[in-house]
Amino acid sequence: KQEVTQIPAALSVPEGENLVLNCSFTDSAIYNLQWFRQDPGKGLTSLLLIQSSQREQTSGRLNASLDKSSGRSTLYIAASQPGDSATYLCAVIRRSNYQLIWGAGTKLIIKP
Amino acid sequence: GAGVSQSPSNKVTEKGKDVELRCDPISGHTALYWYRQSLGQGLEFLIYFQGNSAPDKSGLPSDRFSAERTGGSVSTLTIQRTQQEDSAVYLCASSKPGTGLDYGYTFGSGTRLTVV
Repeated sequence: KQEVTQIPAALSVPEGENLVLNCSFTDSAIYNLQWFRQDPGKGLTSLLLIQSSQREQTSGRLNASLDKSSGRSTLYIAASQPGDSATYLCAVIRRSNYQLIWGAGTKLIIKP
Repeated sequence: GAGVSQSPSNKVTEKGKDVELRCDPISGHTALYWYRQSLGQGLEFLIYFQGNSAPDKSGLPSDRFSAERTGGSVSTLTIQRTQQEDSAVYLCASSKPGTGLDYGYTFGSGTRLTVV
């Protein structure tokens, strides 16, 4: 059974710091891994998608890595800004039926 | 359209009434999810459609909830005899199975349902 864990559950850092959010999964039979962002009262926005054959993806100040063999992904945020405050969710797309399996999220607060 | 479209964006209904929520997925996307999210809570899986396969209905909370997907495209989530605990944001997401960079899931903006 695929389980996805995100650590930490919450993180509060001063503006300008670089930070890492962690996601681990138990079954390496995945198609892709996707990182999302959710702002309070809003829907989900896709940040980065990493294919199972890839090691990392970058978009602006965001870099996501994937180590399928160890069942880990990290989301690196450089030079954090207050606007980065949100809940960050990772989800793996299961190879067997293309279903999403979600982590519980990391609630990030960037203090001005 | 370019994204997943959900309608209505907001719905206020009286307890006991039936409601229909609509999701228009991205054209060509064969995988479609319905989730709901209560205030301050995480995503709650409701139902999953993938192509012509039988839908995974394991997340539907009661027999008052049903969903269909016509022609493999538009999906409608129906809640009969609404209760106050049904108040939540209902989110739809779609994807096209594959392994390319374009094959992740895209979410709609949701329908905020309030049962009074």
